[in-house]
Amino acid sequence: DAKTTQPTSMDCAEGRAANLPCNHSTISGNEYVYWYRQIHSQGPQYIIHGLKNNETNEMASLIITEDRKSSTLILPHATLRDTAVYYCIVRADNNAGNMLTFGGGTRLMVKP
Amino acid sequence: KAGVTQTPRYLIKTRGQQVTLSCSPISGHRSVSWYQQTPGQGLQFLFEYFSETQRNKGNFPGRFSGRQFSNSRSEMNVSTLELGDSALYLCASSEGAISGNTIYFGEGSWLTVV
Repeated sequence: DAKTTQPTSMDCAEGRAANLPCNHSTISGNEYVYWYRQIHSQGPQYIIHGLKNNETNEMASLIITEDRKSSTLILPHATLRDTAVYYCIVRADNNAGNMLTFGGGTRLMVKP
Repeated sequence: KAGVTQTPRYLIKTRGQQVTLSCSPISGHRSVSWYQQTPGQGLQFLFEYFSETQRNKGNFPGRFSGRQFSNSRSEMNVSTLELGDSALYLCASSEGAISGNTIYFGEGSWLTVV
């Protein structure tokens, strides 16, 4: 699976949009972009995933660039409960198995 | 639907002992994978089981093993525990071989080796 690069940490003011970038310049055509977050001492929580098109759900929006070499996770109105480590992962679209390769993630701190 | 359930949530073991952790996947999910999380190494993949067969394996010593039962429930075992095995062990499940399917994690089992 392709490697991803994320900033180590970011701050966001409560109520503002949090935009978390991810670089995956070596992504292959059959690889999805997945986002998970982990709140301290809990298991990772699935947020969203996409292949080519932008995606939106009740938690967040995922914007993938046209060349698919980078993406941005957007939390539209960040709350204190969104403080967590956010992981961007790329995963192949095949039947080889369900293995996720986690990097260091971005530690998002939402401040009042 | 109930989520991924892991037991026990917390346990303390002594060096040299062995431990078994249990995972019940989401109903209907046939793939179960295990991860180890430590402060130094982050989240690392241990192995994955699909329909009772190990499909993928991470880079861990043979002391780490697992199995999956016909009802998709899974167990992992660590023998001859070392202090460095202290970690959060996470189980994740998904429907299986479907491409682009979502993987859901449990809350984990905290293992402390003393």
